[in-house]
Amino acid sequence: NAGVTQTPKFQVLKTGQSMTLQCAQDMNHEYMSWYRQDPGMGLRLIHYSVGAGITDQGEVPNGYNVSRSTTEDFPLRLLSAAPSQTSVYFCASSYSGREAFFGQGTRLTVV
Amino acid sequence: AQSVTQPDIHITVSEGASLELRCNYSYGATPYLFWYVQSPGQGLQLLLKYFSGDTLVQGIKGFEAEFKRSQSSFNLRKPSVHWSDAAEYFCAVGVRGGGADGLTFGKGTHLIIQP
Repeated sequence: NAGVTQTPKFQVLKTGQSMTLQCAQDMNHEYMSWYRQDPGMGLRLIHYSVGAGITDQGEVPNGYNVSRSTTEDFPLRLLSAAPSQTSVYFCASSYSGREAFFGQGTRLTVV
Repeated sequence: AQSVTQPDIHITVSEGASLELRCNYSYGATPYLFWYVQSPGQGLQLLLKYFSGDTLVQGIKGFEAEFKRSQSSFNLRKPSVHWSDAAEYFCAVGVRGGGADGLTFGKGTHLIIQP
């Protein structure tokens, strides 16, 4: 049972480049979400999904897109990377508002 | 919408001393409550959770937390800390019935352990 798997673990992008952060879970959880973690800011919700085909914006959605075609996968797309998107990104899954299970994170640097 | 406040950004405790990390939440009903721990460079690990029932909950690594409805608090405690407890601690609330916006986290408390 792998839990929540995020790839890649580290990434360096140039300003303006696009990329997709991958997230997969094998617990059949309906809820999946993406957070970014910045020093002194805690975790801030970017986008979330309550099931396949259903997504919505969180607190800091600008510059990011998501889709949920399957229960297992919830990729996060950066459309045109900016230095302000330098952060650590965490994907999480949960069931009906109960505890979230987190991936190990992706450390992204935009230069 | 719910919110979480962790009043202490940093706390320094001597090894072997007791610990209490504060957490206050704002929500119209009784939420689900969680404490997570994050070691440097790592993901978040669940320490303990409260859904219902006994308001004193036990978690892993010798931690416990008490839900106090009258104070809207869910403080984390440990009777004797170890150097390995140095980490970032996050309190979080979840909405009963499956709130669509996941969990809401506090900004975290950085725990430093002095030898």
